[in-house]
Amino acid sequence: KAGVTQTPRYLIKTRGQQVTLSCSPISGHRSVSWYQQTPGQGLQFLFEYFSETQRNKGNFPGRFSGRQFSNSRSEMNVSTLELGDSALYLCASRHPQGKNNEQFFGPGTRLTVL
Amino acid sequence: AQSVAQPEDQVNVAEGNPLTVKCTYSVSGNPYLFWYVQYPNRGLQFLLKYITGDNLVKGSYGFEAEFNKSQTSFHLKKPSALVSDSALYFCAVPQAGGGADGLTFGKGTHLIIQP
Repeated sequence: KAGVTQTPRYLIKTRGQQVTLSCSPISGHRSVSWYQQTPGQGLQFLFEYFSETQRNKGNFPGRFSGRQFSNSRSEMNVSTLELGDSALYLCASRHPQGKNNEQFFGPGTRLTVL
Repeated sequence: AQSVAQPEDQVNVAEGNPLTVKCTYSVSGNPYLFWYVQYPNRGLQFLLKYITGDNLVKGSYGFEAEFNKSQTSFHLKKPSALVSDSALYFCAVPQAGGGADGLTFGKGTHLIIQP
């Protein structure tokens, strides 16, 4: 079974631009979560989607948004990029049976904002 | 709010020696606890989880974790360290909220195994 895939793997943008990142979960997984990883703040939860609905959201500004499609693939968008948005963005999927099952992470998208 | 703390930024261990990576937790209700590992330029990999039951949980790659309710700790251990165990280790707890997902992570501990 294929793992969680994220595209693109690397991205360079300039301040003020917007960016869209994509995540394809493991087949059969309907829960998708997004995280931001930076050296200073560590791993922080962005949001979680289940069956095309956002169920939970972390403490990030409204410039960060996401959505989930009927095939469970998810995208996150960051508008009006700032230098501080440079980070590794990780996506994770989880099997719906059992809230406390482990999450499976993709390799991440490394975003650099210049 | 659910939280975990990893008090050590870095742990250095000689190859072949036992290792411990520390984690303490603060949760309401029954704790559900996870350990993940991250190798350079990679995503996180699941190591093990504590849901309920035995206080010693066995996981991947020979790792185990000891749950201690009185000390609110969930330390990661391995009897004999390998150089290939060198990585960044995260302790995590599910965020509160019925039915919703999302993990709260500790700040991470760099484990360095010296040959």
